[in-house]
Amino acid sequence: SAVISQKPSRDICQRGTSLTIQCQVDSQVTMMFWYRQQPGQSLTLIATANQGSEATYESGFVIDKFPISRPNLTFSTLTVSNMSPEDSSIYLCSVPTSGDYNEQFFGPGTRLTVL
Amino acid sequence: GQNIDQPTEMTATEGAIVQINCTYQTSGFNGLFWYQQHAGEAPTFLSYNVLDGLEEKGRFSSFLSRSKGYSYLLLKELQMKDSASYLCAVMDSNYQLIWGAGTKLIIKP
Repeated sequence: SAVISQKPSRDICQRGTSLTIQCQVDSQVTMMFWYRQQPGQSLTLIATANQGSEATYESGFVIDKFPISRPNLTFSTLTVSNMSPEDSSIYLCSVPTSGDYNEQFFGPGTRLTVL
Repeated sequence: GQNIDQPTEMTATEGAIVQINCTYQTSGFNGLFWYQQHAGEAPTFLSYNVLDGLEEKGRFSSFLSRSKGYSYLLLKELQMKDSASYLCAVMDSNYQLIWGAGTKLIIKP
């Protein structure tokens, strides 16, 4: 199993500002996923970050709003830009395992509140 | 479109058995996952089914019927610590996970 850390664990931000969330994995992984989970809602995939290529964004998410970096095989960042209260959510990174089921391991999440 | 349905909330008694159902309609199927998510924490992997039938893992079992687009998670000998949300997720033909909204399970003494 992978060990995943995220920073910050939580933050309260002002409308119009930007926040960069870091995700660190203790092993090298090709793919990293960024999810959003709004209160009481399901997980929604924002984008898939592959090292060495541009991130692939899901419908409804754009690079200008959620720029992603993937400088190496153990690290990624997600920036939430020009925030509004609607961006208040938990942001989670995850990586697929190399086990039998290819299940995903999740980081502890970043709880973001936008005022 | 792709859709995963599961009940929003269920209540059960400590020591009892509860079954959480999940129905799905997806473009292709490469397996179904159940995750547990305690409040304020990240989801953790519980089980995986790709073939029809029952997979048992201790107090937890998961069942799959691909022809019916149906799965359930069975929790036996419920403990207070089992109070959590249970998320059903299906991997589609593009190996992307489609997530249900989760079932909040409340355990009462």
